[in-house]
Amino acid sequence: DGGITQSPKYLFRKEGQNVTLSCEQNLNHDAMYWYRQDPGQGLRLIYYSQIVNDFQKGDIAEGYSVSREKKESFPLTVTSAQKNPTAFYLCASSIAVPSEQYFGPGTRLTVT
Amino acid sequence: AQSVTQLDSQVPVFEEAPVELRCNYSSSVSVYLFWYVQYPNQGLQLLLKYLSGSTLVKGINGFEAEFNKSQTSFHLRKPSVHISDTAEYFCAVSDVANQAGTALIFGKGTTLSVSS
Repeated sequence: DGGITQSPKYLFRKEGQNVTLSCEQNLNHDAMYWYRQDPGQGLRLIYYSQIVNDFQKGDIAEGYSVSREKKESFPLTVTSAQKNPTAFYLCASSIAVPSEQYFGPGTRLTVT
Repeated sequence: AQSVTQLDSQVPVFEEAPVELRCNYSSSVSVYLFWYVQYPNQGLQLLLKYLSGSTLVKGINGFEAEFNKSQTSFHLRKPSVHISDTAEYFCAVSDVANQAGTALIFGKGTTLSVSS
């Protein structure tokens, strides 16, 4: 089955540690996205990539980094510079821009 | 810049009642419009989309939405809801001409709570 996988589902880290969230898609989509979701705030765009080896900052990129070395993969690193990293993180992909996006199941990150 | 307003943050309804979730967007340029549903601790699932053509769009699970260009609205409706429709619903918009931007702008969501 085609789709987007995110791992792990739940992630716990200590403050000051960097952590990498995985996102893989087998839909052959060119564009991939990372969103952060907090209660009552909807989805906020962190980074997006329209093509391999290229990515752009979204609305809340500070404290995050990404790479896009393969079409199928778009990992997100939450660095220790992110002041409030505890949140639900969603990865998405789309065949083109603009177009509907397809979402993974999400990773809930808790930093204490 | 484009923005999306979902007018109700919470909508409580009884089972088998009709429901309307309201969505307005800010810019009257040509747009694509979407509704997504999110169940607790899951990703978003596409309910329906408007790209062009008929202004009445039918989606999955018995939902439909009507695109109203003059009112810049895209309200979601269902004639009879079930307990299983309890979830959060997101409206999203994209400018058709936006080839290098972020593609989708999301509203803050509406929580639909269906009780018996």
